Amino acid sequence: QKEVEQDPGPLSVPEGAIVSLNCTYSNSAFQYFMWYRQYSRKGPELLMYTYSSGNKEDGRFTAQVDKSSKYISLFIRDSQPSDSATYLCAMRGYQKVTFGTGTKLQVIP
Amino acid sequence: SQTIHQWPATLVQPVGSPLSLECTVEGTSNPNLYWYRQAAGRGLQLLFYSIGIGQISSEVPQNLSASRPQDRQFILSSKKLLLSDSGFYLCAWSTPGRTSTDTQYFGPGTRLTVL
Repeated sequence: QKEVEQDPGPLSVPEGAIVSLNCTYSNSAFQYFMWYRQYSRKGPELLMYTYSSGNKEDGRFTAQVDKSSKYISLFIRDSQPSDSATYLCAMRGYQKVTFGTGTKLQVIP
Repeated sequence: SQTIHQWPATLVQPVGSPLSLECTVEGTSNPNLYWYRQAAGRGLQLLFYSIGIGQISSEVPQNLSASRPQDRQFILSSKKLLLSDSGFYLCAWSTPGRTSTDTQYFGPGTRLTVL
């Protein structure tokens, strides 16, 4: 079993939809959770960084962490074609950062 | 602000040829530096990380090596490339003086194709 599981997609949604991206994990040592956005043929860029369980909001983006269920989510409101990218979750504990494989999102105008 | 550069952006090399990819960081001193390889459907694979000049930790034994000749320069090398070395290579940095687990910021990447 992988430490971090992420549905690869692709996920296609119409412009303006609410998008939900998710990751599950198995390692209880993970304490810090991140979401990266990666455009095609570019390096990942950090979107959100959270530590505690609960929600963190930044503009149209909301990161949600449920440590009891070992489940994290990224919500995108009012999705735009410019949000089309691959979204990677990442988690770190005591030793290193572990990345999900990424979910490819396409927002259709 | 900090900036991370990688070059070349794209590289096509024959099997058995040598490799040298370079990464430099601006705007910070003594950053932690990382090399990752990203393959389709397999996520980011950590190859090497460094917490200082000349200090390299290898995460996965393979056909590659890394060096850090200067504080903000990180080089990924190979003496003889294999077909399986093809992929998207990413350099990243994190806050100096912290552990290797701190939040990482990525460069633009190098796409390597070995033929």
